[in-house]
Amino acid sequence: DAGVIQSPRHEVTEMGQEVTLRCKPISGHDYLFWYRQTMMRGLELLIYFNNNVPIDDSGMPEDRFSAKMPNASFSTLKIQPSEPRDSAVYFCASSLRQGVSYEQYFGPGTRLTVT
Amino acid sequence: RKEVEQDPGPFNVPEGATVAFNCTYSNSASQSFFWYRQDCRKEPKLLMSVYSSGNEDGRFTAQLNRASQYISLLIRDSKLSDSATYLCVVTVDNYGQNFVFGPGTRLSVLP
Repeated sequence: DAGVIQSPRHEVTEMGQEVTLRCKPISGHDYLFWYRQTMMRGLELLIYFNNNVPIDDSGMPEDRFSAKMPNASFSTLKIQPSEPRDSAVYFCASSLRQGVSYEQYFGPGTRLTVT
Repeated sequence: RKEVEQDPGPFNVPEGATVAFNCTYSNSASQSFFWYRQDCRKEPKLLMSVYSSGNEDGRFTAQLNRASQYISLLIRDSKLSDSATYLCVVTVDNYGQNFVFGPGTRLSVLP
């Protein structure tokens, strides 16, 4: 079975440009998460969805960041305009809650560099 | 104080050694706890959940002490393939889905 799919795997862009990261969760999973990982701040949850509805976006750093989930098999994270401090690895993860135990499955990540 | 704190590491141990990692968390309402493993330049992957009674999976043993807000991971008979960063994870919301990751402890198992 395919795992979580993210694209692109690497993105290099100039400051001020719009960046769109894409994610396809594991089929049948009802939760989708966006994380950001940097050396300084570690792995941080940005936002998560349940059944395509945003549940908690308190981790989104500022209005330049937005996330959508138009259907159960696709989500985007958009940064507009991008800044050098946005350089990080962005992970998408999905999970299926079963009882009180669950596992978040991570995609391979998108390594974003903003120059 | 950070929500989740871990031994900074790195831990450099010989093959066959036993190594223990510690993790403390600040939110007493946290419900679920996990250890994830992350290889260099890869995504995190679940190593094991941590249950109140403690649990074991092969060479790995996890313990939870709710009173002290403390989690541990013990690795016995270390293998070269255990070299990775180990991330302590705590949930902090009522849905149990808001994962807070610790900064991680890096382990290098040496031949």
